[in-house]
Amino acid sequence: AQTVTQSQPEMSVQEAETVTLSCTYDTSESDYYLFWYKQPPSRQMILVIRQEAYKQQNATENRFSVNFQKAAKSFSLKISDSQLGDAAMYFCAYRSAKVWGAQKLVFGQGTRLTINP
Amino acid sequence: NAGVTQTPKFQVLKTGQSMTLQCAQDMNHEYMSWYRQDPGMGLRLIHYSVGAGITDQGEVPNGYNVSRSTTEDFPLRLLSAAPSQTSVYFCASSRPGFRDRVNTEAFFGQGTRLTVV
Repeated sequence: AQTVTQSQPEMSVQEAETVTLSCTYDTSESDYYLFWYKQPPSRQMILVIRQEAYKQQNATENRFSVNFQKAAKSFSLKISDSQLGDAAMYFCAYRSAKVWGAQKLVFGQGTRLTINP
Repeated sequence: NAGVTQTPKFQVLKTGQSMTLQCAQDMNHEYMSWYRQDPGMGLRLIHYSVGAGITDQGEVPNGYNVSRSTTEDFPLRLLSAAPSQTSVYFCASSRPGFRDRVNTEAFFGQGTRLTVV
């Protein structure tokens, strides 16, 4: 079974600075997808960024980028120019490519990010 | 476009009571899932379905029942509520990605906060 570990329960950063959230995972599979979800106080789960394991290039979405290290099974999220609206719980998630949909996501424990003005 | 709708948003139950958490999606997604979110544990998969009439257990299925009679609806039943089932419950849906490996993200409902006293 796959596992996802987020070792930082809480992180804080000054507004406009850069912060990196860590995620490691364990799997015996070679083909899979990784995701970062944002959960603001509204509880809504918002997809921030996704990475396909077969792609070596790190995914980027505006101020959000990942550092995907397949051999080390590491998938960190970097948020540049942090904004107050980035304050939320962030979850790292794994999906096997053996299933055709996203019905069996494996989540990490979450990291609560605080932005200091 | 409503997406994934969960009802109710909040619920308090007494130990031993039964109830059904409702989940409906209007995106014609074949795949649907139920997760529970607990502090320090992230989201854990309870049950999932890959189509009408087809369900399967996830990581933490005990104490919960599901059925899928239509593509749109995927209710979660608690037959005899226990304090250990106090949690936030999320329903999610997605579509098969065999034609499009990438575009299989999960869409989440707003969650149901359940307290069992």
